[in-house]
This record gives sequence, structure tokens and C-alpha cells, in this order.
Amino acid sequence: DAGVIQSPRHEVTEMGQEVTLRCKLISGHNSLFWYRQTMMRGLELLIYFNNNVPIDDSGMPEDRFSAKMPNASFSTLKIQPSEPRDSAVYFCASSRDRANQPQHFGDGTRLSIL
Amino acid sequence: DQQVKQNSPSLSVQEGRISILNCDYTNSMFDYFLWYKKYPAEGPTFLISISSIKDKNEDGRFTVFLNKSAKHLSLHIVPSQPGDSAVYFCAATSRRNTGKLIFGQGTTLQVKP
Repeated sequence: DAGVIQSPRHEVTEMGQEVTLRCKLISGHNSLFWYRQTMMRGLELLIYFNNNVPIDDSGMPEDRFSAKMPNASFSTLKIQPSEPRDSAVYFCASSRDRANQPQHFGDGTRLSIL
Repeated sequence: DQQVKQNSPSLSVQEGRISILNCDYTNSMFDYFLWYKKYPAEGPTFLISISSIKDKNEDGRFTVFLNKSAKHLSLHIVPSQPGDSAVYFCAATSRRNTGKLIFGQGTTLQVKP
């Protein structure tokens, strides 16, 4: 079974540019989570979807951040315009929508904004 | 306000001995707890979980203990192996809000040969 697939693995771009991170869920999973990991704040949830519908976006830091699920198996996280403080590792995770089901993580996108 | 805390940033153990990683939480609504292991440049990997209706769950060399009255859980690895060297994250959630995992800051475990 393929795991959660994230792309790109690394992204280096200049401040002000638009950044799009991509995530493919595990087949059969219907919950999708975006996390950000930084030294200061650790691993924090940005937003999660259930059956393509955003359920909780309270972790999204600012309006510059947006996330979508155009279909049941794919999601994007967009930052526009990007800033140096957005530099972090961004993880996507998916799970089945049943109680007590663990989330399975992708290998992350390491984002550096210069 | 950190709802899930791992107070030890690092732990070093000799191969073959027991590793004990600790985690404390403050939110009494949490009823499902998980441990993840993370290697460098990889995503966290699910290791083991426990529901609040239990006080122990075992899977091979890994056992998680839950003490609800103390709001404390621990992960025991016996025997520890060099391949267990990684960062271990504790996470918690409530059945009402199963999507929202709250993670601790992680403990880096080093198992020395």
C-alpha cells in the first residue's frame, strides 16, 4: 500500500512568491490533516478535512494560508505571499474516519523562504 | 498553554535495556493517546495507541501505560535496540474531536550499542 505522498520534498523560494504544497492521501482514507513543524512550536495542526470538507482551520496562521481538497484523494496547501517566517517542515497526514484511527504521515515538505 | 508535555528532550539508553519515555497531559477530555516515532527527513510513524478505557496496551517490544488520575502516560521499549534511536512524540485527542491531535514536543531517544 502506498503511503501518504507529499511533493515537493524541498522547496526554496524568495519572499513574496506563491508556494503550493501537494498531498495525496492513502487510498480509502477520508480525513486529511496539514501540520507544520518548527523548532519553536513543534508539530502543530493547521487544518483538517473530513470527506473533502474543512472541519477545523483554527490552526491556519493567516489569510495568506489556504488549503483545498479538489477531490477525495488530493489536497493542496498554498501560501501567498510567502514570508521568511513560513519556513518550516509541512506534513500531511490521512486517516480513516472512524473513532480511534491513527493518522499516517507523509515525509513532509521542507520549505525555506529567503 | 501546552496541553501535552514531554518534559525530557532527550534520553540515552544502552542496547538491551529498557527505555521509558514519559508524557503528561492537562486536558481531562482527552481519551485517546498515541505514540509516534520519527526518523530524520521522514514523517512521524504511528507506533502504538491506547484508549482511556484501558491502562495498558502492548505490541511486541512496545508497551504504553496510561494513568488517568495522574494524567500521565509512558512508553516502554524492552529490549531497546539501536534502530529505536529516533524522536518519539506523544499525542492526544478526544473522541469528540478525533481529528485534532495535540502533540508533545518530542523526546530524542539514543540507544547505544
